[in-house]
Amino acid sequence: GAVVSQHPSRVICKSGTSVKIECRSLDFQATTMFWYRQFPKQSLMLMATSNEGSKATYEQGVEKDKFLINHASLTLSTLTVTSAHPEDSSFYICSARDDGDTDTQYFGPGTRLTVL
Amino acid sequence: AQKVTQAQTEISVVEKEDVTLDCVYETRDTTYYLFWYKQPPSGELVFLIRRNSFDEQNEISGRYSWNFQKSTSSFNFTITASQVVDSAVYFCALSPNSGGSNYKLTFGKGTLLTVNP
Repeated sequence: GAVVSQHPSRVICKSGTSVKIECRSLDFQATTMFWYRQFPKQSLMLMATSNEGSKATYEQGVEKDKFLINHASLTLSTLTVTSAHPEDSSFYICSARDDGDTDTQYFGPGTRLTVL
Repeated sequence: AQKVTQAQTEISVVEKEDVTLDCVYETRDTTYYLFWYKQPPSGELVFLIRRNSFDEQNEISGRYSWNFQKSTSSFNFTITASQVVDSAVYFCALSPNSGGSNYKLTFGKGTLLTVNP
């Protein structure tokens, strides 16, 4: 149980294009999901908290117009990196909080984004 | 403000050795959760344990054990008889035990454990 998927696992795109990453909770409902960014050999940095049916809450320093988050259902949140640039290249990880066990976050396998 | 410190950046052991990963935390919350996650080279974070602040009992799960000491604000993780498959980055994390905070996690910087054959 408590499986979270992410798609795609890897994406390479040209500078200026937009990339959408999906995060799905496969066997539980998740009113709240989180998006993190991780640079090589570093810890996870929380970007935003995504709540189903409402606007995401962004952490300080994260551009909300750059990183668009949509949480349209209890099992799906999407992160769109708009007009991507090489500095957006990173490992993006989502997590989901199980509505039936709200105290633990379960993580997806991550998406490696490379912007050329 | 919350803070998690994992002072050991990298640890290297030989298979079958026991190894302890240290975690020290700071929080002003009276109730909170502590976690350990494992991140193998594939990148996915694997949940290992969640401990509520009011439960100071140590826990053992197979070769893994956790020592929670509130008096020293530590939540250390020991792997007994380590195996090559234990090689990964291990993260300690902390969250408030309060729904209003959305249970946001604060992570330590991680400890890279390498188990050599």
